[in-house]
Amino acid sequence: RKEVEQDPGPFNVPEGATVAFNCTYSNSASQSFFWYRQDCRKEPKLLMSVYSSGNEDGRFTAQLNRASQYISLLIRDSKLSDSATYLCVALRGSYIPTFGRGTSLIVHP
Amino acid sequence: DTAVSQTPKYLVTQMGNDKSIKCEQNLGHDTMYWYKQDSKKFLKIMFSYNNKELIINETVPNRFSPKSPDKAHLNLHINSLELGDSAVYFCASSRQGGDEKLFFGSGTQLSVL
Repeated sequence: RKEVEQDPGPFNVPEGATVAFNCTYSNSASQSFFWYRQDCRKEPKLLMSVYSSGNEDGRFTAQLNRASQYISLLIRDSKLSDSATYLCVALRGSYIPTFGRGTSLIVHP
Repeated sequence: DTAVSQTPKYLVTQMGNDKSIKCEQNLGHDTMYWYKQDSKKFLKIMFSYNNKELIINETVPNRFSPKSPDKAHLNLHINSLELGDSAVYFCASSRQGGDEKLFFGSGTQLSVL
C-alpha cells in the first residue's frame, strides 16, 4: 500500500461546479498535511496547509479526518484556471514530506 | 528574485555519462530536498539535508551523490547514467524539517538516451 494515495482522475467538471478530492495516508504518526497544486510542466506550489479543525481559503476548504486517515480538498465555484494536478502531502517524519500521485482536475467552459 | 533556482533546466545525455544538477535557495532555509518525478508524475523524495548534513536517503542508488557545500546549496551528481534515470528532478527547501511548507525549484528535465 502506498503511503499517500489519491484517485488520479481526471475529474472533468464544468465551470462553477463544486468538486472534492480525497487523499488517504497510511502512517498514523503523520502530523502535518498539505495540498499542493502542480500545473503542467511546472513545479508544485503550496495551495494550503490542512489543520485538524479544517480550514478555508477563499473557494478552497481542506479537512482532516485522523480516525479514518484521510484529508480532503473541496473547491467551490470552479474556475478554468483551477485546472491542474492537486497533490496531497503527509509528513512522514520531520524530513520526509511524502507526496501522493496527484489528482488531475479539468475545468471546462 | 527566484527563491529556489536549479540549473540546468534541460539535460540531454548519453547512457553511461556523469552529470550534475545545481540548486541554490536564497530564502535562508535550513532544509533542502531532492525529488524525482517520473513519467507517471509520481513525485518521490530522494534526499533530505538539514544545515548541510544528510538526514534522509530514501534508498537511492549510490550512483546519485548529493553535495551540500553550505545550507543554501544542494547539488546532485549522477554517475553512470541509465535510461531509467530519465525524469524531472526537483530541488526544494523548507525553513526547517517538520511542519513547514516546501518551496520548489522549476525542475530539471533529464533525458538519458
